[in-house]
Amino acid sequence: DAKTTQPTSMDCAEGRAANLPCNHSTISGNEYVYWYRQIHSQGPQYIIHGLKNNETNEMASLIITEDRKSSTLILPHATLRDTAVYYCIVRGRDTGTASKLTFGTGTRLQVTL
Amino acid sequence: KAGVTQTPRYLIKTRGQQVTLSCSPISGHRSVSWYQQTPGQGLQFLFEYFSETQRNKGNFPGRFSGRQFSNSRSEMNVSTLELGDSALYLCASSSLAGSTDTQYFGPGTRLTVL
Repeated sequence: DAKTTQPTSMDCAEGRAANLPCNHSTISGNEYVYWYRQIHSQGPQYIIHGLKNNETNEMASLIITEDRKSSTLILPHATLRDTAVYYCIVRGRDTGTASKLTFGTGTRLQVTL
Repeated sequence: KAGVTQTPRYLIKTRGQQVTLSCSPISGHRSVSWYQQTPGQGLQFLFEYFSETQRNKGNFPGRFSGRQFSNSRSEMNVSTLELGDSALYLCASSSLAGSTDTQYFGPGTRLTVL
């Protein structure tokens, strides 16, 4: 699976949009971009995923660049409860490897008043 | 639907002992994956089971083993515990092995080895 690079930490004021970038310059054509978050000592929570089109759900939006080498997770109105470590993961589609999620160090997002 | 459940949530063992952790996947999910999370190594993949067969395995010693039952529930076992096995053990379930089925994680079992 392709390697991802994320900033170590970010701050965001409550109520503002949080934009979390992820670089995955070696992504291949059949690999998906997944985002999870982990609130302190809890299990990772699935947020969103995409292949090449932008995606939106009730939690967030995912913007993937046209060359697919980077993406941005957008939390439109961050709240204190969004404080967590956010992981960007590139995931293959092969049955033998897709089950193995490779987590990096993620971005620690701190939402402040 | 109920989420992924893991038992026990907390466990304290001593070096040399063995431990068994349990994971019940979301109803209808057939794939269960296990991960270890430590402050030093982060989240690392242990293994994945689908239809009672191990489909994928991470880079962990043979002391770490697992199995899956016909109802998709899974257990993982760690024998001859070492201090370094202290970690949060997470399981995740998905509908199918591989493909793009999303993995949903349980709350984890925090194992402390003294």
